[in-house]
Amino acid sequence: AQKITQTQPGMFVQEKEAVTLDCTYDTSDQSYGLFWYKQPSSGEMIFLIYQGSYDEQNATEGRYSLNFQKARKSANLVISASQLGDSAMYFCVRGSNYKLTFGKGTLLTVNP
Amino acid sequence: GAVVSQHPSRVICKSGTSVKIECRSLDFQATTMFWYRQFPKQSLMLMATSNEGSKATYEQGVEKDKFLINHASLTLSTLTVTSAHPEDSSFYICSATQGITRYTQYFGPGTRLTVL
Repeated sequence: AQKITQTQPGMFVQEKEAVTLDCTYDTSDQSYGLFWYKQPSSGEMIFLIYQGSYDEQNATEGRYSLNFQKARKSANLVISASQLGDSAMYFCVRGSNYKLTFGKGTLLTVNP
Repeated sequence: GAVVSQHPSRVICKSGTSVKIECRSLDFQATTMFWYRQFPKQSLMLMATSNEGSKATYEQGVEKDKFLINHASLTLSTLTVTSAHPEDSSFYICSATQGITRYTQYFGPGTRLTVL
């Protein structure tokens, strides 16, 4: 199976600091997409950012940026200026052939 | 835009009964809908993919006779858990895609099923 690996089960960050959540992935596809989703304790899945495999520039969405290193099959999420509301589970996701494959997630806790 | 709703948000049922969960795309037509299951402190696992007007495609290990999926219209898909047992207790999440991009899925808020 083509895996998504998130090596950090839990991360802590101080409010207003930046944090990087790691993600590596397996794929044999030429065309694929990489996503990050946030899941707060309420359970809803919130889309954060998307990177296409052919996109040459790293994706950015407000405080979120995706550090895409294709040769290393790495797609780390960087959250700048963390806020208390950023505390949640974060999933790295690969999209291929219309299907999404989820990593195991990283639980981020933002401390005041 | 791109809002997906699920109903009910929580359901508790007795072992042996069947439970139906609805997934609706509220402001777009969903060519494809997906059903996921998430056990506590675990990731989402894709159960099945459904396209409007055709049979669902189930992932390996998912019992199609137990988890009945109907996608009768472009805005509604239903998941029926038949003869539910305590091990079926889980968080069920649906998602929908407009088909504009190949991968972007919009998720519903989820349904927490508890089987007693």
